Amino acid sequence: EVQVLESGGDLVQPGGSLRLSCAASGFTFSTYGMSWVRQAPGKGLEWVSSISHSGASAYYADSVKGRFTISRDNSQNTLYLQMNSLRDEDTAVYFCAKYYESGSFYLNHFFDYWGHGTLVTVSS
Amino acid sequence: EVLMTQSPATLSVSPGERATLSCRASQSVGSNLAWYQQKPGQTPRLLIYGASTRATSVPARFSGSGSGTEFILTISSLQSEDFAVYYCQQYHLWPLSFGGGTKVEIK
Repeated sequence: EVQVLESGGDLVQPGGSLRLSCAASGFTFSTYGMSWVRQAPGKGLEWVSSISHSGASAYYADSVKGRFTISRDNSQNTLYLQMNSLRDEDTAVYFCAKYYESGSFYLNHFFDYWGHGTLVTVSS
Repeated sequence: EVLMTQSPATLSVSPGERATLSCRASQSVGSNLAWYQQKPGQTPRLLIYGASTRATSVPARFSGSGSGTEFILTISSLQSEDFAVYYCQQYHLWPLSFGGGTKVEIK
């Protein structure tokens, strides 16, 4: 059974840093692209970042570019999101999401399995 | 950036009736469009990809259509478990983007 489990969410002050983790199981993690998607309280979904199966390629939303870094450890089946210079507007539930298709990172950037999310609250 | 606009924001439908949800892209995304369902407190569920292909285990009452900039999700006969928020997502261009969602509520 495919599972992705996020952790690391917390209350942090503006300007602070946090690292989220996503532990994956039930599929060959090293062959799938992965993403982070967030949802502010009572709001819609917002794509944050995606990384290729090898980790060689990554993309970011403009709202987080230069502040957030996505990475992965295929030996540990774990996805990460390093978040620096956090702002109030980064407050959200952060979901880890698995790409539908394995292999190529050039097509089909949509997601078939999502974790239940981890809450990041940025507030003084 | 491709802006995705969903309408209506809220759709009130009686059980057994048809629901038609719209998603419009600010530029062509071809058929690179997915639909998700999210119930309160739950994780999003993939319903449709490639604009019209149902994901695994998705009931046949869900259907998607459209290409380019105009897309439709149709639920042919609403069941109680279908009342939820529905999001479209384009994956044609970076950055990826979601629509603001349509809430389907019981009339």
